[in-house]
Amino acid sequence: AQSVTQLGSHVSVSEGALVLLRCNYSSSVPPYLFWYVQYPNQGLQLLLKYTTGATLVKGINGFEAEFKKSETSFHLTKPSAHMSDAAEYFCAVSYQAGTALIFGKGTTLSVSS
Amino acid sequence: EAGVVQSPRYKIIEKKQPVAFWCNPISGHNTLYWYRQNLGQGPELLIRYENEEAVDDSQLPKDRFSAERLKGVDSTLKIQPAELGDSAVYLCASSPTGIGHEQYFGPGTRLTVT
Repeated sequence: AQSVTQLGSHVSVSEGALVLLRCNYSSSVPPYLFWYVQYPNQGLQLLLKYTTGATLVKGINGFEAEFKKSETSFHLTKPSAHMSDAAEYFCAVSYQAGTALIFGKGTTLSVSS
Repeated sequence: EAGVVQSPRYKIIEKKQPVAFWCNPISGHNTLYWYRQNLGQGPELLIRYENEEAVDDSQLPKDRFSAERLKGVDSTLKIQPAELGDSAVYLCASSPTGIGHEQYFGPGTRLTVT
């Protein structure tokens, strides 16, 4: 069965530091990959997605992610963290348009001043 | 453009009571999903609709959960009777059929069963 693993349930960084959230998937076929962010008491908001084409994907709020097929990874990065980036981040995959997303367990990002 | 609308936002009920959640998807989105998100976990699919047809309900506990999407727009998810383990956030999402893969999520309904 396909699955998504997010390494590190909690990541803490200082304001201005690099943000790196890790995501690996298990699949025998190329998936479509997503990162969502969830702020407290809110729904999930799409940060970025990879479907086809360029493997480095840029999203909102300065985030980007790179699809590495050989490593089955789709890590999320941001060069400089802001306090407003503190939230829960979810990596997700799908294999066919319109089917359910398979989510990782999420990573809580804390940003300290 | 209005996003996915869900109500209520919060619901507290006693076990064995019934409860219902309502979702209005983004206009024109034919695909509608209900997910359940347990504390500290990612969302998991309960049911997926294409228009008014439930095309994937394999993860829906059918002994107590039911859902409907009349006229292929709004949807209602019901639990009867609720159990303590049903406490979770119930998320509704929608997507345009056959175009891309991203799903748009509503704010969710946080259910607490006491």
